[in-house]
Amino acid sequence: LAKTTQPISMDSYEGQEVNITCSHNNIATNDYITWYQQFPSQGPRFIIQGYKTKVTNEVASLFIPADRKSSTLSLPRVSLSDTAVYYCLVGRDDKIIFGKGTRLHILP
Amino acid sequence: GAGVSQSPRYKVAKRGQDVALRCDPISGHVSLFWYQQALGQGPEFLTYFQNEAQLDKSGLPSDRFFAERPEGSVSTLKIQRTQQEDSAVYLCASSLGPRAGHMQETQYFGPGTRLLVL
Repeated sequence: LAKTTQPISMDSYEGQEVNITCSHNNIATNDYITWYQQFPSQGPRFIIQGYKTKVTNEVASLFIPADRKSSTLSLPRVSLSDTAVYYCLVGRDDKIIFGKGTRLHILP
Repeated sequence: GAGVSQSPRYKVAKRGQDVALRCDPISGHVSLFWYQQALGQGPEFLTYFQNEAQLDKSGLPSDRFFAERPEGSVSTLKIQRTQQEDSAVYLCASSLGPRAGHMQETQYFGPGTRLLVL
């Protein structure tokens, strides 16, 4: 599985758009990019998955440039309840390799 | 439908005690995973089942850790002779099963069991 690098922490304010970028220089041709969200005292929860260009669902958007060496998770108009840890994962396997994730803190 | 459930939610054990952690996956899910999450860290893979077959146990930290899924549904993670370094949250996840192609199958996680070894 490709190694990923993402910021350890980020702060933002309610109502703003938050973008979290993940680097994955060694991504393989067939790898997908997946993001999970984890709230305190809960298990991780799938947010979004993509292969190239842009994917959007009711929760977030995922932007993937042509070289696929990075990806950006975009959370529109965040609220306090979006405070969580966000994990970027790359590859396909029967197990998930989590990094330390990005600890997002939303301020009022 | 019900999600993944785990029991107990909290467990305090004395060093040297054996513990058993239970996971009830989503009905019909073929794949089941166990992860260990230390405080402030991401979850770390322990083991993976496809139905009753344990296909990967490469993440189990020692032979004190044992997992089973005898009927391909409920799974139990057993830790023998617990040590203080075993203190962590143990997460269980299930998924429909391996996908064809290279997409990563969505895993559905339970709330975890928080184990504290004194």
